[in-house]
Amino acid sequence: QVQLVESGGGLVQPGRSLRLSCSASGFSFSDYAMHWVRQAPGMGLEWVALIWNDGTVTYYSDAVKGRFTLSRDNSQSTLYLQMDSLRAEDTAVYYCAREFIPPAGIEYKSFDPWGQGTLVTVSS
Amino acid sequence: DIQMTQSPSSLSASIGDTVTITCRASRSVYSFLNWYQQKPGKAPKLLISAASILQSGVPSRFSGTGSGTDYTLTISSLQSEDSATYYCHQSYSTHQHTFGQGTKVEIK
Repeated sequence: QVQLVESGGGLVQPGRSLRLSCSASGFSFSDYAMHWVRQAPGMGLEWVALIWNDGTVTYYSDAVKGRFTLSRDNSQSTLYLQMDSLRAEDTAVYYCAREFIPPAGIEYKSFDPWGQGTLVTVSS
Repeated sequence: DIQMTQSPSSLSASIGDTVTITCRASRSVYSFLNWYQQKPGKAPKLLISAASILQSGVPSRFSGTGSGTDYTLTISSLQSEDSATYYCHQSYSTHQHTFGQGTKVEIK
């Protein structure tokens, strides 16, 4: 079945780095754009970043631009989020999600499925 | 950026009630509007895409309507398993997706 599994979360000090991974299975990973969405404790969902299916184009939220780098290895069906200069406000559960576009008609985009999430805690 | 405003932020309803959640965009999102359900400790689940397309396996008591800037998620005949937080999401702005702040639905 279509599945996304995140890993790499943990406790990290402010200013340090962390790399998250998202392993995909059950679909042709190289055909889909992928996103990261995060959720701070007790808060709502916040879009973080997008990478095109071929990895050539990335977009970031203003909150992480210049600090986070999104990449992918289509041969390994894996998505990566390199997080540098981490701040306390980056503390959140990070989800990867596939961008789904219907096969016909207007290219309405949605996120389906999502991974189970990985918790990143930035604290001294 | 397109801002998404959901209302109410929370509600409490009884089994069998009809519940309506609204989402307003700061400018038109041309039906590039999705609804997700999230239960505590779980990842969000896509319920409705393109404002009104019910996803496979989602009960028919869920429905979505709207256009332009205003969208609605309706849950008819509320069930206990519908207790969750619901989020709208605009995907019209391809480079800057945004979510509503969420609506927590509780069962009385």
